[in-house]
Amino acid sequence: GAVVSQHPSWVICKSGTSVKIECRSLDFQATTMFWYRQFPKQSLMLMATSNEGSKATYEQGVEKDKFLINHASLTLSTLTVTSAHPEDSSFYICSASNRVNQPQHFGDGTRLSIL
Amino acid sequence: GQNIDQPTEMTATEGAIVQINCTYQTSGFNGLFWYQQHAGEAPTFLSYNVLDGLEEKGRFSSFLSRSKGYSYLLLKELQMKDSASYLCAVRPTSGTYKYIFGTGTRLKVLA
Repeated sequence: GAVVSQHPSWVICKSGTSVKIECRSLDFQATTMFWYRQFPKQSLMLMATSNEGSKATYEQGVEKDKFLINHASLTLSTLTVTSAHPEDSSFYICSASNRVNQPQHFGDGTRLSIL
Repeated sequence: GQNIDQPTEMTATEGAIVQINCTYQTSGFNGLFWYQQHAGEAPTFLSYNVLDGLEEKGRFSSFLSRSKGYSYLLLKELQMKDSASYLCAVRPTSGTYKYIFGTGTRLKVLA
């Protein structure tokens, strides 16, 4: 069964809306989770590393005020796309691992469409 | 800089064998992972190499040469359901879970 749960699967909303995406580790504690964005026919682009109890680490070029990350517990990280616009439409995926030498497990992803 | 290269697309026939290559140049190396991703879905883990050599898992095998910065994923007895993107990812730093993903290879299996 899934070890990482992501919700919601689909979001369609108007431009200017803020959207929150949740990522949960189901049977393990994850001090670190990752948020990726993927455009059609492209690979995964790491947006940020979510750290439990501290600030997220953003990759170069990713606006931290635009993409708010909160990792308040060992099993939950949230990504909020603030004031979303059509160019933010993408497939957002989270991942987590319970041990450093174990593979990352991915959530099912969230398809975000901004009208 | 960090760079991971894969062919963009490959086509093969059902029942055949296909090899998907991955070359990497990263600041460090602490493991290489292969993932399969079907269109519109999240990636699923296929294999992990940290030492040189071949790891076999059923129809899938993965090879690593750290001195050459090179890996390949070998898929045998191809099936139509193997049509997907295959992502190579490197963990450059020990003690961290962070990966760098390659560009991905879209494999099309033809009947």
